[in-house]
Amino acid sequence: SSELTQDPAVSVALGQTVKITCQGDSLRSYSASWYQQKPGQAPVFVMYGKNNRPSGIPDRFSGSSSGNTASLTITGAQAEDEADYYCNSRDGSGNHGVFGTGTKVTVL
Amino acid sequence: EVQLVQSGAEVKKPGESLKISCKNSGYSFTSYWIGWVRQMPGKGLEWMGIIYPGDSDTRYSPSFQGQVTISADKSISTAYLQWSSLKASDTAMYYCARLTVGATFVYFDYWGQGTLVTVSS
Repeated sequence: SSELTQDPAVSVALGQTVKITCQGDSLRSYSASWYQQKPGQAPVFVMYGKNNRPSGIPDRFSGSSSGNTASLTITGAQAEDEADYYCNSRDGSGNHGVFGTGTKVTVL
Repeated sequence: EVQLVQSGAEVKKPGESLKISCKNSGYSFTSYWIGWVRQMPGKGLEWMGIIYPGDSDTRYSPSFQGQVTISADKSISTAYLQWSSLKASDTAMYYCARLTVGATFVYFDYWGQGTLVTVSS
């Protein structure tokens, strides 16, 4: 399958930890990347692979992977982390890319 | 500083043609893939296709093959996305983004600001 499945929505209390997951067969072979998108804004690249953060992304964001599941964890969530999050990887053929279905994170 | 600057919003009628652009600066345009991503109103991100400006190698997602054309002009570091005959269902925000590719990973590290395309009679 070339699909990447995410939970539609999760909520987290301010300062607590939330894990966003991405499932797909292609993740057994290829790493995931992660993007944060706030309303009315372009996506922002926040993570790829196992805990590789681009410069400027806070270290409360971390990445991990096991089997067919990739995860993005926010440890100590802040109000500004409220956004939609998308995973991305190659599809099963390796010739194309595919985005996950997206997860809306609400910080309470 | 890497920048991707997209052309402005467009309002078109069904059946019309359109070409939107993505001007790149701050890096070697011919050394990275550029991708196009669609986001329909209230929906998620969709991978449309990618182009390598160095040799114009172009790869379309199966869902978009034959529906759009991706091209690039390396003399002006600009990538393009075009339609020959727009449909109302093409109404969406379109993003260009620079793609870094490895053996087991891909990621879009820099994004344009988006071009809103509205198709309505």
